[in-house]
Amino acid sequence: NFMLTQPHSVSESPGKTVIISCTRSSGSIASNYVQWYRQRPGSPPTTVIYENNQRSSGVPDRFSGSVDSSSNSASLTISRLKTEDEADYYCQSYDNSNLVFGGGTKLTVL
Amino acid sequence: QVQLVQSGAEVKKPGASVKISCKASGYTFTSYYIHWVRQAPGQGLEWMGIFNPSGGSTTYAQKFQGRVIMTGDLSTSTVYMDLSDLSSEDTAIYSCARDSPSGSYEIDYWGQGTQVTVSS
Repeated sequence: NFMLTQPHSVSESPGKTVIISCTRSSGSIASNYVQWYRQRPGSPPTTVIYENNQRSSGVPDRFSGSVDSSSNSASLTISRLKTEDEADYYCQSYDNSNLVFGGGTKLTVL
Repeated sequence: QVQLVQSGAEVKKPGASVKISCKASGYTFTSYYIHWVRQAPGQGLEWMGIFNPSGGSTTYAQKFQGRVIMTGDLSTSTVYMDLSDLSSEDTAIYSCARDSPSGSYEIDYWGQGTQVTVSS
C-alpha cells in the first residue's frame, strides 16, 4: 500500500495564504481522488475538500484543493487566513479497497 | 439530517474485546458504506476497515485482519465494530464514518467517536 506524507506543522499570519502538501509515495496521485479533512481539538473531522478540488457544503472559497502529477502530490490552499482556520488537516485517498490518511498537518495561525 | 451516534466510552483490560455500536439515521441505511477509523492520543487518523450494510461485506485494513469484525443490524440501522485481543496500543478514539454517495472512499459524515481505554 502507499503512504501520504504531509508536513507535521505549518504556521502563518492572519490574512496570508498557506499551502499544505500531501505527497503520495507510490502509484499516481491522479489515479484516485484526494480528500481533505479539518479536525479541531476535541471534535471529529469534517470534510473540507472532496474529489481533489470540490469544496464541501459550507466551506468558504478561501479553501481550494489541487493535484499535481509532476510532484505526485495534492495541495490544500487556504487564503486570507483566519484564526478560526487553526486546526489539524488530513489528506486522504484510497487504492485497492484501502483508504489511506496522511499523517496530518497542524496549522497554526498567529 | 444524517446522524451517526456511537456507544459510550469503554475501559478494557489487556486481552479483552470491545464492541462499539454506530446507529445511523437520516438516510437510507443500506445505501452507504460505513468506515471505522481510530485515533490514538496525539496521533493521526488510522483507517480500520469498511462495512457494506447492504449484504454485509467487509474489507479490513491488513493491520487489523484477524482481530476486527464489522457487522450490521438492518432492523436498527446499526453497525458494530468488534476488536479483540486488546493491548495498550489500542487505546484510542474509535469513530464510524459514512462513505459519500459516490461510494468511492470519501467520508462525508462522522460519528462523535468512542473512547476506548485499555489498561490493567
